[in-house]
Amino acid sequence: DAGVTQSPTHLIKTRGQQVTLRCSPKSGHDTVSWYQQALGQGPQFIFQYYEEEERQRGNFPDRFSGHQFPNYSSELNVNALLLGDSALYLCASSSLLQGQYEQYFGPGTRLTVT
Amino acid sequence: AQSVTQLDSQVPVFEEAPVELRCNYSSSVSVYLFWYVQYPNQGLQLLLKYLSGSTLVESINGFEAEFNKSQTSFHLRKPSVHISDTAEYFCAVSEEAAGNKLTFGGGTRVLVKP
Repeated sequence: DAGVTQSPTHLIKTRGQQVTLRCSPKSGHDTVSWYQQALGQGPQFIFQYYEEEERQRGNFPDRFSGHQFPNYSSELNVNALLLGDSALYLCASSSLLQGQYEQYFGPGTRLTVT
Repeated sequence: AQSVTQLDSQVPVFEEAPVELRCNYSSSVSVYLFWYVQYPNQGLQLLLKYLSGSTLVESINGFEAEFNKSQTSFHLRKPSVHISDTAEYFCAVSEEAAGNKLTFGGGTRVLVKP
């Protein structure tokens, strides 16, 4: 049973560019959440997708957007990249339909903005 | 709004000694509590969780945590650590009424010395 997978593993972008990160949830999970983990800090909630809609959003600007596909996979898009966007981006999946409150995390995508 | 405080940013400990990682949260409603572990250059792994029932929860690798509602704490303990327990540990909380969005503490880095 594959766990949560994310791609790419690492990414280097220049300020002002746009980036798309991808996530496939654990088998049987229908909900995907995205978190940003800056160096030396705990993860911060960006947003959560369920039934292809954004259900909750953290305190992140509109430059951060997402999408969920019918197969439950998800994308995180960040526009107009800033140096401060450099971080480890973590995807987590869960199954709200089954009432599961624990989230399972992928290995993350490390984004470096230069 | 909920918040999580991990009182120790780093905890050095000798192998086979006990360790306690402190976690306090702030919330006015019912919460679910989690401890995650992050090994270098990896994502987060769920260590243990409190959803309801017994306030003492245990993991398969010897960790335990106790939910104390009056003190709003969820401290993590292990009676005897191994070198392989060297990692960063994150306490997280989600509010029952807010889906399963996680709010994390800043993390505690455990360094086990031989």
